[in-house]
Amino acid sequence: NAGVTQTPKFQVLKTGQSMTLQCAQDMNHEYMSWYRQDPGMGLRLIHYSVGAGITDQGEVPNGYNVSRSTTEDFPLRLLSAAPSQTSVYFCASSPTGQSLQETQYFGPGTRLLVL
Amino acid sequence: GENVEQHPSTLSVQEGDSAVIKCTYSDSASNYFPWYKQELGKRPQLIIDIRSNVGEKKDQRIAVTLNKTAKHFSLHITETQPEDSAVYFCAASAFTNAGKSTFGDGTTLTVKP
Repeated sequence: NAGVTQTPKFQVLKTGQSMTLQCAQDMNHEYMSWYRQDPGMGLRLIHYSVGAGITDQGEVPNGYNVSRSTTEDFPLRLLSAAPSQTSVYFCASSPTGQSLQETQYFGPGTRLLVL
Repeated sequence: GENVEQHPSTLSVQEGDSAVIKCTYSDSASNYFPWYKQELGKRPQLIIDIRSNVGEKKDQRIAVTLNKTAKHFSLHITETQPEDSAVYFCAASAFTNAGKSTFGDGTTLTVKP
């Protein structure tokens, strides 16, 4: 198993551009989520999904859209990039997100710079 | 919502000494408390976790304690080694969504040889 994969690893955008960060997992996990990590801070939840066709907002959803058309993929879209969205983005998954017995697996991260 | 505070933000110890990192949380519904280690440029990785029906859990040199009454939990690393140097994050979440964790801001641990 590849686990949780993310592409690209690094991206530079200009203000106002749009892009999609890709996340995929091959563990048949129902629960997937996106976090952003800013310097000196912990991870903050952007959006999450408990299964295909179901998404919900996390702590910092503004400026981001998600969709979950398949169990494997959970892309994060930036509609109009702003410098404040410069960050490292982590995707994570767990079997259901509904059990304390589960471990959350993180992807390798995407480093985004918005100029 | 949940608020997690983590102290200290930086910690420097001599190799072989112990290191303690403390976190407090605000939501009494939280009952799952994982700790993650993140090396520079890498993804966070779970190192130990504790659930609300347990007061203490140990795994070799790492231990976590939980005080639900006071709403705080701590990470203890004994006999520290240079490879323990990393950023450590605590987190808290409620049973209904273990994946929807609120994270502390992290502690940068440096172990000097």
